[in-house]
Amino acid sequence: IAGITQAPTSQILAAGRRMTLRCTQDMRHNAMYWYRQDLGLGLRLIHYSNTAGTTGKGEVPDGYSVSRANTDDFPLTLASAVPSQTSVYFCASSDSSSGGAGELFFGEGSRLTVL
Amino acid sequence: GQNIDQPTEMTATEGAIVQINCTYQTSGFNGLFWYQQHAGEAPTFLSYNVLDGLEEKGRFSSFLSRSKGYSYLLLKELQMKDSASYLCAVLDSNYQLIWGAGTKLIIKP
Repeated sequence: IAGITQAPTSQILAAGRRMTLRCTQDMRHNAMYWYRQDLGLGLRLIHYSNTAGTTGKGEVPDGYSVSRANTDDFPLTLASAVPSQTSVYFCASSDSSSGGAGELFFGEGSRLTVL
Repeated sequence: GQNIDQPTEMTATEGAIVQINCTYQTSGFNGLFWYQQHAGEAPTFLSYNVLDGLEEKGRFSSFLSRSKGYSYLLLKELQMKDSASYLCAVLDSNYQLIWGAGTKLIIKP
């Protein structure tokens, strides 16, 4: 059982470059999320999707975009990376579309360094 | 604003008991979660409380007092593998999860 798969697991990126972090789940969960985790701060929601075809902005959406063409995939794109986007990115899913009242299942994370 | 407070770091001894506190101030309340996160790994679900009281699950228990905006996670018979960060998160009135910064628990032999 794969659960949630993220790629790449780690990436060093030059500032100004475009980058897409991939996220795929095989649990048929309707809700998916992208978080960033920085030292000393709680997980911060970037974007979310309650169901395929819909997306919404979280707490820190600027500089990021997402799409949800189908149930399984939820890629996160950095159009023009900046050093402040250096972070660990977690994709998560939930089988509850009511804002996440259900348990979240997380991917293993993507560590991104922007130089 | 919305706020979740939990201690940054705690140290405990193998075999002992430790209580990790979490206080919250949020716009509404639809439940409180505890997650465990080992260093370099993804968070994993531990517990969910929406009603006042104690929920026991093996060596781990979670308590909630909605009137006090307070929860704690109680870990008994500590093992070295319990060394991890413990994240408290509250579901607010808009069903958005508000996360605390996490408590790093260090277990010593």
